[in-house]
Amino acid sequence: ELKVEQNPLFLSMQEGKNYTIYCNYSTTSDRLYWYRQDPGKSLESLFVLLSNGAVKQEGRLMASLDTKARLSTLHITAAVHDLSATYFCAAGTNFGNEKLTFGTGTRLTIIP
Amino acid sequence: DTEVTQTPKHLVMGMTNKKSLKCEQHMGHRAMYWYKQKAKKPPELMFVYSYEKLSINESVPSRFSPECPNSSLLNLHLHALQPEDSALYLCASSQVSGAIPEAFFGQGTRLTVV
Repeated sequence: ELKVEQNPLFLSMQEGKNYTIYCNYSTTSDRLYWYRQDPGKSLESLFVLLSNGAVKQEGRLMASLDTKARLSTLHITAAVHDLSATYFCAAGTNFGNEKLTFGTGTRLTIIP
Repeated sequence: DTEVTQTPKHLVMGMTNKKSLKCEQHMGHRAMYWYKQKAKKPPELMFVYSYEKLSINESVPSRFSPECPNSSLLNLHLHALQPEDSALYLCASSQVSGAIPEAFFGQGTRLTVV
């Protein structure tokens, strides 16, 4: 059974600082997704990582995937208040039906 | 159009009621999903439909009954729910084949069972 763990669960950081969220998964999965969720809202897709060594960047967020270590990271550069949200990673299995197993989520609060 | 539309946005129902959640997409996706998300928890998969056929049921109680009447529509019929079934119900869709099987999520239905 695929398990996905994220850490930290909670992250409070000051504007302008850098930090990294970690996502480990337990069995083989070559597809890793990052989503953002604002309170009471749905999931917004941030990144799709499909191969070992994949790196994607959008604004102040950068995601990477190491399939050998079964690790993905979401790096935040020079955080701004608008990035406050809950971030989920999800590993995909069962290609054809993209069954997603979500990590526990990281609740990120950016303090001015 | 990358939208998955869910109705209603909010639903309050009694434990003896019967209600349905609806989901629609026009992206040509042939896989559709229901997820359940409790407060402060990650989404959990309930059902997967592929080519309008149920392919995955994650041991969901029978008081939840999914239906996929065509390739664009997905319903979730609710009957005799319990207060612990109160949650955000998310619909998603994705390609079945193709390079990127990315799932697109609807805005969710917030269900309260009283």
